Amino acid sequence: GAGVSQSPRYKVAKRGQDVALRCDPISGHVSLFWYQQALGQGPEFLTYFQNEAQLDKSGLPSDRFFAERPEGSVSTLKIQRTQQEDSAVYLCASSLQGANTEAFFGQGTRLTVV
Amino acid sequence: GDSVTQMEGPVTLSEEAFLTINCTYTATGYPSLFWYVQYPGEGLQLLLKATKADDKGSNKGFEATYRKETTSFHLEKGSVQVSDSAVYFCAPLKAAGNKLTFGGGTRVLVKP
Repeated sequence: GAGVSQSPRYKVAKRGQDVALRCDPISGHVSLFWYQQALGQGPEFLTYFQNEAQLDKSGLPSDRFFAERPEGSVSTLKIQRTQQEDSAVYLCASSLQGANTEAFFGQGTRLTVV
Repeated sequence: GDSVTQMEGPVTLSEEAFLTINCTYTATGYPSLFWYVQYPGEGLQLLLKATKADDKGSNKGFEATYRKETTSFHLEKGSVQVSDSAVYFCAPLKAAGNKLTFGGGTRVLVKP
């Protein structure tokens, strides 16, 4: 595709609800990253995939957060039992190979937990 | 752990003014250094990067030099335009890592 596509763009969830956020990376990009951006702050790293392998998940804030990329293309970030502190913009980025090559970011999914 | 300190905004300038956004970092080893920009309503975009000490990254009239001795990567532009209004993020990438560490961002507003 032309760029990294994320859906939905906006999501309102009731506290305790499970949500799934989707990322379609640029075709052929090996690396995929998820970041969380709280209001007025810089993005914070959540997890990194190389093809279908999740090589780094050190930034996931709790075991309620789970990410997958089963076929090495589309990725899903799932948050179980959402809480208010999960409210943020979730950014997905992809690159040809690793973070030292240019990472292309999607526009993000704004999650609001009420 | 690694951290980034960016000057806080907002920074308000007139067109054709000189812009500097300071960025310093702490990191183990010698990271690659990036500036990303987020224009209103758009996703983050790579603005420029430098991969080793004394390298200068440049793009769209912006420049930043990788200063190892001061662990800094300040962003400069000699003459800003209204279209440069955006949020700018400094981000080191740890050597041999895949984790960008972003600063808090600096909002720049350029007035005609």
